[in-house]
Amino acid sequence: GQNIDQPTEMTATEGAIVQINCTYQTSGFNGLFWYQQHAGEAPTFLSYNVLDGLEEKGRFSSFLSRSKGYSYLLLKELQMKDSASYLCAVNHNYGQNFVFGPGTRLSVLP
Amino acid sequence: DAGITQSPRHKVTETGTPVTLRCHQTENHRYMYWYRQDPGHGLRLIHYSYGVKDTDKGEVSDGYSVSRSKTEDFLLTLESATSSQTSVYFCAISGESVEGSNQPQHFGDGTRLSIL
Repeated sequence: GQNIDQPTEMTATEGAIVQINCTYQTSGFNGLFWYQQHAGEAPTFLSYNVLDGLEEKGRFSSFLSRSKGYSYLLLKELQMKDSASYLCAVNHNYGQNFVFGPGTRLSVLP
Repeated sequence: DAGITQSPRHKVTETGTPVTLRCHQTENHRYMYWYRQDPGHGLRLIHYSYGVKDTDKGEVSDGYSVSRSKTEDFLLTLESATSSQTSVYFCAISGESVEGSNQPQHFGDGTRLSIL
């Protein structure tokens, strides 16, 4: 089976850096994806990792360690518009489908 | 933006009635998915499709059926709607990379369904 864990809520200050962790247990790992979802809207793709290491995309970076079943999303220079839920999703070989974690609700304070 | 359209965007209906939600894509992607999203549960997979007439069950498939007769359309049907199926439904699509792994999913705007 698959099990994905994320912190439920986090709070950070505008301009700061925040790290959102995701741990997973799955068979046939085929990639880990991060999505952002503002309240009342659809999830939008942010970043993904297939191999170990850091992927950087502007203010957002994602890290993966397959041996530890661990990933994090790093958000730099936080802005108020970054207040949203952040979803971690694992793609696994069986069924070629994605399993989502419960999401982390991030609040950015002035 | 990925070309995904969900219809209807909102629907209110009564218990016991059949409901069909439509997902239409213009990206010619192989994979299509239906999720429901409820407070405290996150996104849960209902059914997915890996090609025309090829579908499989997800985590919460009971009470739902799907059909994919064309690459661009993926229909989700609630044969006899129940109040527990009140939710926000998202369709997603993804392509396949050269290496055989999945591309990221792109989501439709969602359908808010209320069963009274």
